[in-house]
Amino acid sequence: GQNIDQPTEMTATEGAIVQINCTYQTSGFNGLFWYQQHAGEAPTFLSYNVLDGLEEKGRFSSFLSRSKGYSYLLLKELQMKDSASYLCAVRDPRAGYSTLTFGKGTMLLVSP
Amino acid sequence: GAVVSQHPSRVICKSGTSVKIECRSLDFQATTMFWYRQFPKQSLMLMATSNEGSKATYEQGVEKDKFLINHASLTLSTLTVTSAHPEDSSFYICSASGGIRTYEQYFGPGTRLTVT
Repeated sequence: GQNIDQPTEMTATEGAIVQINCTYQTSGFNGLFWYQQHAGEAPTFLSYNVLDGLEEKGRFSSFLSRSKGYSYLLLKELQMKDSASYLCAVRDPRAGYSTLTFGKGTMLLVSP
Repeated sequence: GAVVSQHPSRVICKSGTSVKIECRSLDFQATTMFWYRQFPKQSLMLMATSNEGSKATYEQGVEKDKFLINHASLTLSTLTVTSAHPEDSSFYICSASGGIRTYEQYFGPGTRLTVT
């Protein structure tokens, strides 16, 4: 089966750093994605990890440990516009194409 | 690059009618398109996966006769919700893969369906 867990909600203040964790147990694994989704909008791509380690991209970084089934998204220098839902998704290769299984998302609220 | 559009962005229909949602890849050929449904404050649930020219593969619990998916070309997939009911009201999002970053799914802007 597929199981992806992430916290439901988190709060942080502007300028701070926040880490959103994601753990997964899936039948297959071919990479982990993080997406940002504002209310009523489609998800936008943030990061993709397929190998263990940290990927840094500006204010956002993502870490993956395949042996632990664990990833985190690190957001630095938080801004008000970072208030959104953050979705962890695992790429599961099957039948010649790759499907994504999404976690339920972590709603991040950034306050002044 | 890798832009995906959806039409319409919002639709309101009466119970019992059918509604078609289009998903287009504007600047790349989408070998695979995915359809998701998202209820308020919940995550994206994959409904079906379609490859150009072949029948869609539906996820468990999704009625293939109710949610008709056609992927007639490498740039267009359609989802038709037949005999819509109020419980079908949801946010429907398509995505497409086949762009330069082959591992990535590119998401459309979504369609808000309200069935009255």
